[in-house]
Amino acid sequence: GENVEQHPSTLSVQEGDSAVIKCTYSDSASNYFPWYKQELGKRPQLIIDIRSNVGEKKDQRIAVTLNKTAKHFSLHITETQPEDSAVYFCAAGGGGLTFGKGTHLIIQP
Amino acid sequence: SQTIHQWPATLVQPVGSPLSLECTVEGTSNPNLYWYRQAAGRGLQLLFYSVGIGQISSEVPQNLSASRPQDRQFILSSKKLLLSDSGFYLCAWSRLDGSGQPQHFGDGTRLSIL
Repeated sequence: GENVEQHPSTLSVQEGDSAVIKCTYSDSASNYFPWYKQELGKRPQLIIDIRSNVGEKKDQRIAVTLNKTAKHFSLHITETQPEDSAVYFCAAGGGGLTFGKGTHLIIQP
Repeated sequence: SQTIHQWPATLVQPVGSPLSLECTVEGTSNPNLYWYRQAAGRGLQLLFYSVGIGQISSEVPQNLSASRPQDRQFILSSKKLLLSDSGFYLCAWSRLDGSGQPQHFGDGTRLSIL
C-alpha cells in the first residue's frame, strides 16, 4: 500500500516569511495529492490539490509542487500571516488517500 | 452543493458503555464514506471506509464497528468503550471515482471516556 512521509513535524517561521512543508510517497500509481489545513479543534479543510499530470499549482499565497520522478511534493506558503498557524496534512492516492502525520505550523509575530 | 453532518459534536461516556456516532451526507449519491480517529496532536487514523450500502472495510482491528444502512448514512459503534477510544472522530466523504478525489470532512465528534 501507499506510505506517505511528511516533514517537518513542527515548523516555526516569522510572520511575513515563507514556509515549506515536504512529503514523499511510495506508490508510483498515486495520481492525486491534496493538502489539508486543520485549525485547533476544527475539521481538516482542503486548501489546494494537484494531479500527477501537473508539476506546479498556485492559488494566491499557497503553491504546491510535484516531482513524480522523485516521488515528492511540497506545499509553499509565502508572506505568512498569523491565520496560517494550523496543522497541515499532505495526502497521496488514486482511489483512496493516505495521509501524512501532519506539520504544526507556527507563525511568530 | 454537498454537505456532511456529524453528531453529536461532543460526547462524554463512561468506560464500558456503548457508542453510536452518526454521519450523513447530502447533495450527492453513491459516495465513498470514511471514519477517522485523531488523538490529541496526532495524525488521522483511518478506521473504516465504505464504497456502498452494507460494504465496510476495516483498517484497524479494535472494539469499534461501522455500518452503512443507507447510501448516505454511516454509523460508528461500539458495544463497550475503552479508555483508549478517547479522541476526535471525523467522518468524511468523497466521490466514487477511481481517478483520485478529495475527501471532505465533517465537523467531528470529540469523545471523552471517563
